[in-house]
Amino acid sequence: DVKVTQSSRYLVKRTGEKVFLECVQDMDHENMFWYRQDPGLGLRLIYFSYDVKMKEKGDIPEGYSVSREKKERFSLILESASTNQTSMYLCASTPPGISMNTEAFFGQGTRLTVV
Amino acid sequence: AQSVTQLDSQVPVFEEAPVELRCNYSSSVSVYLFWYVQYPNQGLQLLLKYLSGSTLVKGINGFEAEFNKSQTSFHLRKPSVHISDTAEYFCAVSDLSKAAGNKLTFGGGTRVLVKP
Repeated sequence: DVKVTQSSRYLVKRTGEKVFLECVQDMDHENMFWYRQDPGLGLRLIYFSYDVKMKEKGDIPEGYSVSREKKERFSLILESASTNQTSMYLCASTPPGISMNTEAFFGQGTRLTVV
Repeated sequence: AQSVTQLDSQVPVFEEAPVELRCNYSSSVSVYLFWYVQYPNQGLQLLLKYLSGSTLVKGINGFEAEFNKSQTSFHLRKPSVHISDTAEYFCAVSDLSKAAGNKLTFGGGTRVLVKP
């Protein structure tokens, strides 16, 4: 069974803390993504990576950075957490290209609360 | 740039009644279209997708969607819902360019509440 695993389901952090959200996939996928989910706004892309050490900004990268040192792992970093970063964070992975079998696989999500 | 609009933020429906969730998109290029479902406290799961071919697409759990290029719509339907269909549903698009890297642009979501 394919798996995208996020290291934490729930996190509570203080304003100003550096926060790491970890995501691991076991499908040997090239592409990995970090989305943020907020009520009424759906999912918005923060960053994505299409190869090891490669990264590109998504639609809302401000306040975030990412790291991809190994193919299976994609980390989202909040350099200095703020209360407006309280949200649900979802990691996803896909193989390269699009075919009839392509789909994005999502992790369970990490609900982050910044106090 | 692409955008996706889900016209209903919440849809209450009685068990065994039909349901339709509306999705419209805008894009300057051809796109692939997806519907995902998120059950409470879970990640997203693919319901169905349209890549090409027949405009009527059948997915899992009895859902189907119809792609209408002229109206730039991809509405999701189920003829008879169950309590277990209570979830949030997301419409998404991905453009066909290699540079897109399979990025998905999502709508705001539609929360379906099935009542007994």
